[in-house]
Amino acid sequence: DADVTQTPRNRITKTGKRIMLECSQTKGHDRMYWYRQDPGLGLRLIYYSFDVKDINKGEISDGYSVSRQAQAKFSLSLESAIPNQTALYFCATSDSKGQTGELFFGEGSRLTVL
Amino acid sequence: KQEVTQIPAALSVPEGENLVLNCSFTDSAIYNLQWFRQDPGKGLTSLLLIQSSQREQTSGRLNASLDKSSGRSTLYIAASQPGDSATYLCAVLTSGSRLTFGEGTQLTVNP
Repeated sequence: DADVTQTPRNRITKTGKRIMLECSQTKGHDRMYWYRQDPGLGLRLIYYSFDVKDINKGEISDGYSVSRQAQAKFSLSLESAIPNQTALYFCATSDSKGQTGELFFGEGSRLTVL
Repeated sequence: KQEVTQIPAALSVPEGENLVLNCSFTDSAIYNLQWFRQDPGKGLTSLLLIQSSQREQTSGRLNASLDKSSGRSTLYIAASQPGDSATYLCAVLTSGSRLTFGEGTQLTVNP
């Protein structure tokens, strides 16, 4: 089983729908991140959380919200999806105690908004 | 604002060739630099991580170097194989624990 699991892996939805992408990890890491990847733009940080009570905006947080339900779970929501949110979304984790800052990624969730 | 650039954007080589992928960054105040591999439709796999105090890291046929003062890193792949075909991304960690990614180099190794 993967250490960082994202669900769903693929989702097609319509404009205006609410979408939730979920991420769970078994690595015991305290830090979790959501990125989106677009062709020609690389990976960009949406939100990150350093522990259950800590949520921070990344560089492109508009139109998104997150919830850190437990140390192992971090979900990303699109309250009203729009076509330019079509992208590949990645969850990642890191361990602040490890002191290397190394990130570990999930397999990605491909979202298409029609 | 940190910017990361990777050159070339795409590279095609015959099997067995040694090759170098380049990564440059604008702000030298980094904590570490990480090289990832991404296969089509897949997530990112960490290959090598170099701390800001280090000059290089090696893993098997891969060697990554870091010159923080000039804002450059290289990933050297020795004796390339078709299985090395993937997109290679570099990312730098700066203050606030923000990881900034380059756009990647798409590598094709031809049998």
